[in-house]
Amino acid sequence: QITLKESGPTLVKPTQTLTLTCTFSGFSLRTGGVGVGWIRQPPGKALDWLALIFWDDDKRYSPSLKSRLTITKDTSKNQVVLTMTNMDPVDTATYFCAHLPNTRSSKRYFDYWGQGILVTVSS
Amino acid sequence: DIQMTQSPSTLSASVGDRVTITCRASQSISDWLAWYQQKPGKAPKLLIYKASSLESGVPSRFSGSGSGTEFTLTISSLQPDDFATYHCQHYNSYSHTFGQGTKLEIK
Repeated sequence: QITLKESGPTLVKPTQTLTLTCTFSGFSLRTGGVGVGWIRQPPGKALDWLALIFWDDDKRYSPSLKSRLTITKDTSKNQVVLTMTNMDPVDTATYFCAHLPNTRSSKRYFDYWGQGILVTVSS
Repeated sequence: DIQMTQSPSTLSASVGDRVTITCRASQSISDWLAWYQQKPGKAPKLLIYKASSLESGVPSRFSGSGSGTEFTLTISSLQPDDFATYHCQHYNSYSHTFGQGTKLEIK
């Protein structure tokens, strides 16, 4: 059974750096093809893909946010960490992490999602 | 960048209705498209992948079709549990792009 859970601060100040952790179970980032992604959703708005990391440490970022994002993994802890620098009130959103089954086949969608964590950016 | 546009933004329908939601890509994406259902305060749930493949456990009243730039999600007979927001998503190895969402409301 695959589960993911996001953790981190729920309130950050403008200009601060946000660090979110996705802790997962039921799969391993040592398995070929597997990936974990981060997606956010401002209140009442659309989903917005942020970043992906794969089993081989390949990383992909949203072009519009690339300069502010870093994604890393700790395979031994079954964790993926996302950092976002220079936070602004427009970054207020629910942040989700999600499992990508197998990038080496056609299974490049997100099939399991965490519950999400609402991060508010305010002074 | 590829843009995904859903229509309509809001759809009002009744239990038992057949409904269709459309998603258009700004350029051809083959069949690299997924559909998700999201309820308030919850994470999205995968319904359809590769444009028309039904995810395991998803009721057969949901179906997807299309390729290239135009795609549809059809619910053949709306059930009370289906009132939610639906998102399309283009995916490939390098990026993911979501549509703006379609809210399906009770008429």
